[in-house]
Amino acid sequence: DGGITQSPKYLFRKEGQNVTLSCEQNLNHDAMYWYRQDPGQGLRLIYYSQIVNDFQKGDIAEGYSVSREKKESFPLTVTSAQKNPTAFYLCATSRGGATYEQYFGPGTRLTVT
Amino acid sequence: KQEVTQIPAALSVPEGENLVLNCSFTDSAIYNLQWFRQDPGKGLTSLLLIQSSQREQTSGRLNASLDKSSGRSTLYIAASQPGDSATYLCAVRQGGSEKLVFGKGTKLTVNP
Repeated sequence: DGGITQSPKYLFRKEGQNVTLSCEQNLNHDAMYWYRQDPGQGLRLIYYSQIVNDFQKGDIAEGYSVSREKKESFPLTVTSAQKNPTAFYLCATSRGGATYEQYFGPGTRLTVT
Repeated sequence: KQEVTQIPAALSVPEGENLVLNCSFTDSAIYNLQWFRQDPGKGLTSLLLIQSSQREQTSGRLNASLDKSSGRSTLYIAASQPGDSATYLCAVRQGGSEKLVFGKGTKLTVNP
């Protein structure tokens, strides 16, 4: 079964706690991305990685951290420094290079109270 | 700064109708444009990808066009069905950038 998996589907945390969202892919894609989706807004890029052990900040990286130790995995940590962490988080992958399309996972809904 | 606009924000049509969704962008220096579908609480499903050198792409009942010089794309859905009900998003891949810039989407409801 190929594709992109994100876990968990729903996540609840108390304010002040760090939380890590998982993204795994078996598409053998080089590039991976994290987006955030809020009601009434377009998706916004948090971080992306084009190759293992390398990643770049997107438009809204503050309060988030990532790692890319394996090609298949790109976990996102939402830290206590993120002021409004409650959102729908989407992971995406691409073969890399500007002409390739991006494919998205099923998403994780994070609620912080 | 690239901005992507989708109008209307919501659209309701009877089953069987042909319809057009609109997407406009402010900077024509793009690599490509991608149309997605999103069902409530779900991830995005890629529908069509149009490279900047292309004018249109077709998949089944869907046809997407691109006019880069005017900063416009349309998604044409033929013979709409209730199963087409979803939010449709367009996104542009900006030249020199890895990121997609998204519109806020058009929520489509197809009534039986």
